[in-house]
Amino acid sequence: DAKTTQPNSMESNEEEPVHLPCNHSTISGTDYIHWYRQLPSQGPEYVIHGLTSNVNNRMASLAIAEDRKSSTLILHRATLRDAAVYYCILRDANNDMRFGAGTRLTVKP
Amino acid sequence: GAGVSQSPRYKVAKRGQDVALRCDPISGHVSLFWYQQALGQGPEFLTYFQNEAQLDKSGLPSDRFFAERPEGSVSTLKIQRTQQEDSAVYLCASSLGGFLEAFFGQGTRLTVV
Repeated sequence: DAKTTQPNSMESNEEEPVHLPCNHSTISGTDYIHWYRQLPSQGPEYVIHGLTSNVNNRMASLAIAEDRKSSTLILHRATLRDAAVYYCILRDANNDMRFGAGTRLTVKP
Repeated sequence: GAGVSQSPRYKVAKRGQDVALRCDPISGHVSLFWYQQALGQGPEFLTYFQNEAQLDKSGLPSDRFFAERPEGSVSTLKIQRTQQEDSAVYLCASSLGGFLEAFFGQGTRLTVV
């Protein structure tokens, strides 16, 4: 039983913004929303996380819906190096960290 | 290097052989996770440690899989009597704990022939 639902794949053009959606309708009040990405032949890499408020860091922004049942990872200007599989994960009070299938992002030059 | 280190990077085992995969987490990291990733799939959770305590081992696929972290730092994932379906990349991650970000190693690619 997946906790999060993401599209299997998305495409973007280089230099354009990318919005990667994630649905988590069964989220509980104490679950944090984490995003990781995995480049080919590498281990996953942390991108960003949040609880209720929108978050920004040097890599991306995280927009969290008011009811917290969905979130969107925003890459402001996609580059070819951003091509990866992006995973949206809920981390609960047990510190569980389980991955779904993720979204494969293709960036076209 | 200050990152998570896994060894060996590659391991070829004959079916029925026992293997041990090592994970050196970032110093001071309380939480440690193991994952199994088959080709083209997302990482599948295997087990989770907080310090030396194994708090969740619900993802271990069979009793052939065993993980330990006796002193709360280095962890070893052992697979007994390897089968072809055990072929995968095994990932280790560590975290300071709580809801903080986790850092992953490069993984160990296990091929069972």
